Amino acid sequence: GENVGLHLPTLSVQEGDNSIINCAYSNSASDYFIWYKQESGKGPQFIIDIRSNMDKRQGQRVTVLLNKTVKHLSLQIAATQPGDSAVYFCAENTDKLIFGTGTRLQVFP
Amino acid sequence: DTEVTQTPKHLVMGMTNKKSLKCEQHMGHRAMYWYKQKAKKPPELMFVYSYEKLSINESVPSRFSPECPNSSLLNLHLHALQPEDSALYLCASSQARGRDEAFFGQGTRLTVV
Repeated sequence: GENVGLHLPTLSVQEGDNSIINCAYSNSASDYFIWYKQESGKGPQFIIDIRSNMDKRQGQRVTVLLNKTVKHLSLQIAATQPGDSAVYFCAENTDKLIFGTGTRLQVFP
Repeated sequence: DTEVTQTPKHLVMGMTNKKSLKCEQHMGHRAMYWYKQKAKKPPELMFVYSYEKLSINESVPSRFSPECPNSSLLNLHLHALQPEDSALYLCASSQARGRDEAFFGQGTRLTVV
């Protein structure tokens, strides 16, 4: 069945450093993934997506990497800022949008 | 306009009450979703509507009743809820089911007393 999970529940980084949030999935048929950011008291906000015909996609300060061989994807945030503090979810959207367990990113000065 | 609007933002209801949550989008999206999110947990899918028809019900108890009056509106009717139903209820929409990014509203914080 579908299983989208994350390796680390909390990630603490210093302001200005790069952050890497990891996510594993189990359904080898999954072909579309989305990263969401959720701040306290708000709904999930789309960050970046990637389809299985790609292994890398870049946005503004964010990069998503997809490794289909090991069923793993990661979100890299460059020059992490205090405003990046939130919970980050990877989600699989093949037939329906299913969320992983989430990682809390804490940015300290 | 990439906004999904949910009302009310907060709702407190008794276990014998009947209430409704509302969701609206004007992006022309044909898929709309209801999710339930408990504290420190990911959103859990409840219902999916595609072209105004219910296409997925994730075994949700009948005390939750969805309705899609038109392509822009999605309602969730609540009746005889339990305290454990207290959660953040999120609405989302996408151009089509399962193939595109979904945009989320800010949610309705529901407390059942």
